[in-house]
Amino acid sequence: NAGVTQTPKFRILKIGQSMTLQCTQDMNHNYMYWYRQDPGMGLKLIYYSVGAGITDKGEVPNGYNVSRSTTEDFPLRLELAAPSQTSVYFCASKGQHYEQYFGPGTRLTVT
Amino acid sequence: QQQVKQSPQSLIVQKGGISIINCAYENTAFDYFPWYQQFPGKGPALLIAIRPDVSEKKEGRFTISFNKSAKQFSLHIMDSQPGDSATYFCAAGVESGYSTLTFGKGTMLLVSP
Repeated sequence: NAGVTQTPKFRILKIGQSMTLQCTQDMNHNYMYWYRQDPGMGLKLIYYSVGAGITDKGEVPNGYNVSRSTTEDFPLRLELAAPSQTSVYFCASKGQHYEQYFGPGTRLTVT
Repeated sequence: QQQVKQSPQSLIVQKGGISIINCAYENTAFDYFPWYQQFPGKGPALLIAIRPDVSEKKEGRFTISFNKSAKQFSLHIMDSQPGDSATYFCAAGVESGYSTLTFGKGTMLLVSP
């Protein structure tokens, strides 16, 4: 099992550009999450999904969009990148139990 | 707003010493309290977790102490080792519903040799 995989590992965007952060899990988990991590600020929930076709906003959803067409994939879309979106993004998934499994992260810089 | 307050922000401990990280929460509906460990360049990983029906849980050198009346919980790392140097996050969540977690801001632990 690969667990939770994220691509790309690193990305530099110019202001106003768009991109999609990919997240895939192979554990057949229903729950999936997107977090952003900024220095000294912990993990902030952006969006989450409780199953294919069902998504909901977290604490900091502005500037982002998500979709969940399959159990395995939960992409995060940035439409008009802004410097405030410079961060490390983590995807996570959860099955029947409480533990959330995190991916290795995507480091995004918007200049 | 649901919050989890974590302290200290950073901590330096001598090898063999005890590391203590504290968290406080506000929402009395929280019934699951995990601690995550994160090494540089990696995603967080579950270290240990507790539910409010017990006051302490121990796994190896790691212990969670839980005080329901004070709405506080803490992580104790006994016999701290340089390999424990990492960032530690406490979190809190509710079993029912959509199982989201609220995270503390993290504690950077450095264990000096």
